[in-house]
Amino acid sequence: EVQLVQSGAEVKKPGESLKISCKGSGYRFTSYWIGWVRQMPGKGLEWMGIIYPGDSDSRYNPSFQGQVTISADKSISTAYLQWSSLKASDTAMYYCARGPIGWFDPWGQGTLVTVSS
Amino acid sequence: DVQMTQSPSTLSASVGDRVTITCRASQSISSWLAWYQQKPGKAPKLLIYKASSLESGVPSRFSGSGSGTEFTLTISSLQPDDFASYYCQQYNSYPGTFGQGTKVEIK
Repeated sequence: EVQLVQSGAEVKKPGESLKISCKGSGYRFTSYWIGWVRQMPGKGLEWMGIIYPGDSDSRYNPSFQGQVTISADKSISTAYLQWSSLKASDTAMYYCARGPIGWFDPWGQGTLVTVSS
Repeated sequence: DVQMTQSPSTLSASVGDRVTITCRASQSISSWLAWYQQKPGKAPKLLIYKASSLESGVPSRFSGSGSGTEFTLTISSLQPDDFASYYCQQYNSYPGTFGQGTKVEIK
C-alpha cells in the first residue's frame, strides 16, 4: 500500500525554526514527485512546491519561494518542509502528497503547525 | 500563475440530487485538471485526474468533463457520504494552482 506518513503537530513561537517530515512507503520513493500543500484555518488549498527525490530537483510557488525550503533524503524515503523563522501567519495544516504527473495522490495525514507567542 | 475559479462556493442539495461544480481556468490548461474531495479534519482525496479519468475506487456517480478553460465535476446522484468540500487543481504549469473550493451542504 502506498502511504505517506507525516510528523506530528508542532507548537512554536514566532522566530523559531521548524522542519516537518513526510515518509513514503510502498513505492519507489525516488521515482515520484512529492508536493507540499498549505491549508490555513477554514481556508482552501495552496500549492507550495514540489521536489523530485531522485535528484532533488525542486519547484516553488513564487508566493512561498524564500519563505520555506523543501528537501528530501532518499536514503530514508523522507521529504521535508522547513522554516528558518516562523511567523504567526504560518499557522496552518500542511499536507504532503505524491505527485505522479502533476496531480496528487495519495496525501499524508497532515501536520498542524501552530505559531503563537 | 494560472488562476482557477470555482463556482458555486457553496451548494445546498438533497440526497439523490444531480450536482454540478464548475471550474474555470484563466488560460488554457488542456486537460491537465484534477478534482479532490475533502471532508472536515481529513486530507483531500483524489477523485478525477486528466479532467475526466476516474481514480480507481471512486464511485462511478462521480464524473469529470471539459478541456481548455472550462471544466465540470458532476455527481449524478448525491449520497450522504458526498457532503464535503471539492477542489479543482490545474497541473498544466507551475505552480499547480487550486480553485477556492466548493462546499456541498445538506439542504
